[in-house]
Amino acid sequence: KAGVTQTPRYLIKTRGQQVTLSCSPISGHRSVSWYQQTPGQGLQFLFEYFSETQRNKGNFPGRFSGRQFSNSRSEMNVSTLELGDSALYLCASSYFGTGLMGETQYFGPGTRLLVL
Amino acid sequence: AQKITQTQPGMFVQEKEAVTLDCTYDTSDPSYGLFWYKQPSSGEMIFLIYQGSYDQQNATEGRYSLNFQKARKSANLVISASQLGDSAMYFCAMREGSQGAQKLVFGQGTRLTINP
Repeated sequence: KAGVTQTPRYLIKTRGQQVTLSCSPISGHRSVSWYQQTPGQGLQFLFEYFSETQRNKGNFPGRFSGRQFSNSRSEMNVSTLELGDSALYLCASSYFGTGLMGETQYFGPGTRLLVL
Repeated sequence: AQKITQTQPGMFVQEKEAVTLDCTYDTSDPSYGLFWYKQPSSGEMIFLIYQGSYDQQNATEGRYSLNFQKARKSANLVISASQLGDSAMYFCAMREGSQGAQKLVFGQGTRLTINP
């Protein structure tokens, strides 16, 4: 079974631009979560989608948004980029549920975003 | 709010030795899930092991085992017979929120270096 895929893998943008990152979950997984990883703040939860609905949201400004499609693929968008948005953005998918099978999130390789 | 603490920023271990990575957590929820992930320099988060708060036995997965001490709120990862390929960042994480919620809270990580 194929793992979580993320595109693009690397991205360079300038301040003020916007960016869209894509994530395709493992087949059969219906929950997709996004995380931001920076050296200073570590790994921080952005948001989670299930059945095309945002179920949880982290403490990030409204410039960060996302959506999920009917095939469970997800995109996240960052508008008006700032230097501090430079980070590794990780997407994770899970079946959704409890216990080992339901809760375990499997991560993609990430998208490295550099904002100049 | 739930919190994960990893007190070892870095660890150096000789190949073939066992190593214990510490993790303590803080939560008032009776139901929670604990995870360990490995992050090589490539950036992808690799799931290693899961422990549910109601699981009676410590989780094991190949060379990985989790020393779960519920009363002390600790969930240490034990890697037996370490290998050079084990060199990576290791993150302890906890599912935050109600069962089925897919939000993970991560510790700051431990950088493990295996010396030949």
